[in-house]
Amino acid sequence: NAGVTQTPKFQVLKTGQSMTLQCAQDMNHNSMYWYRQDPGMGLRLIYYSASEGTTDKGEVPNGYNVSRLNKREFSLRLESAAPSQTSVYFCASRLHLIESFSGNTIYFGEGSWLTVV
Amino acid sequence: GQQLNQSPQSMFIQEGEDVSMNCTSSSIFNTWLWYKQEPGEGPVLLIALYKAGELTSNGRLTAQFGITRKDSFLNISASIPSDVGIYFCAGQVKTSYDKVIFGPGTSLSVIP
Repeated sequence: NAGVTQTPKFQVLKTGQSMTLQCAQDMNHNSMYWYRQDPGMGLRLIYYSASEGTTDKGEVPNGYNVSRLNKREFSLRLESAAPSQTSVYFCASRLHLIESFSGNTIYFGEGSWLTVV
Repeated sequence: GQQLNQSPQSMFIQEGEDVSMNCTSSSIFNTWLWYKQEPGEGPVLLIALYKAGELTSNGRLTAQFGITRKDSFLNISASIPSDVGIYFCAGQVKTSYDKVIFGPGTSLSVIP
């Protein structure tokens, strides 16, 4: 049972390069999320997707694009990487049931460490 | 936009002491979640709160959903070394059901 799988785990990019972070979940969850984590900033929401075919901006969407390819997969793309995008990126998913502990639990991937030089 | 504030930013306590931390916002949330993150891992859900005034426990952890719906509190009783980590509050935005934002976290260190 893999849960939430994201790749790559580590990546170094040069300023201006592009890359896509891949994420897949095998729990049949409806909602998927991309967060970035920086020291002292907590987890900041980049984009989220309530269901296949829908995406919405989070708190810090600038410089990113996402695709909800199907119910399982939610990718994050950096079109022109900048040093300010150096961070740890977490993909997450949630079943999305009202007032249910299991339905509200957000399951996180292991994180992707991205460095932009 | 919505923003969550957590206090204290960090805590250093002796094993056996009780811990209190809180989370506040200028916006109303309809769900409050408390997560714990250990080094190198993703956050793990500890407690979920759905109604104003609700008090929920999970072992030695107790959390409350503030009456104003703009704050929440987490207490840990009789701390032990494995309580070490970063504790995040997270809120589900009232106007957007799927949007979940996190606070900056409270770092807890327990001295044996």
